[in-house]
Amino acid sequence: AIRMTQSPSSFSASTGDRVTITCRASQGISSYLAWYQQKPGKAPKLLIYAASTLQSGVPSRFSGSGSGTDFTLTISCLQSEDFATYYCQQYYSGWTFGQGTKVEIK
Amino acid sequence: QITLKESGPTLVKPTQTLTLTCTFSGFSLSTSGVGVGWIRQPPGKALEWLALIYWDDDKRYSPSLKSRLTITKDTSKNQVVLTMTNMDPVDTATYYCAHRVRGYNYFDYWGQGTLVTVSS
Repeated sequence: AIRMTQSPSSFSASTGDRVTITCRASQGISSYLAWYQQKPGKAPKLLIYAASTLQSGVPSRFSGSGSGTDFTLTISCLQSEDFATYYCQQYYSGWTFGQGTKVEIK
Repeated sequence: QITLKESGPTLVKPTQTLTLTCTFSGFSLSTSGVGVGWIRQPPGKALEWLALIYWDDDKRYSPSLKSRLTITKDTSKNQVVLTMTNMDPVDTATYYCAHRVRGYNYFDYWGQGTLVTVSS
């Protein structure tokens, strides 16, 4: 099974910061990667698919990049509503989620 | 628009079988390419994919849970049912159903989730 490892597990940031979250696959997954945002008590929300394609309605401050085994999610200018937990998910072979990255207010 | 909603017991005893129903609207599971998946999340922990059923009744299961899971669909009722046997306290989690994007294996619409507690 393909394992997905996110880093860091959590970090603190301030509104306006540029933040980057990394996701690494245990084997090559081409660009079959999605990113989700989850807020407490809510279902995950799709942000990005195919590693870099923004889901309709998602603000352009979110961007994704990478292919093969290494991927990043970047938030260019952190807003108050972006404090949440972010998950990557591979769909190259089956479905596997990363362990999540919690973005907290500094 | 697409909506999904999970229903089922909130409390089950160890060794019992859990049956969850996902009732959806805004799409049909008889349409080519469509799929519905189940994902769970223990309190404070990460998401874990469990199972998925396709429009053509093809089914996929998590390898680690395959022996305990069964996924079925009732196209006429717009429902997908997940059963999990031999429940254990470690299966305590919020269970979500989600719509698989046609032709791709990520999820664009999710239900609100239902918390299932396993306790005697």
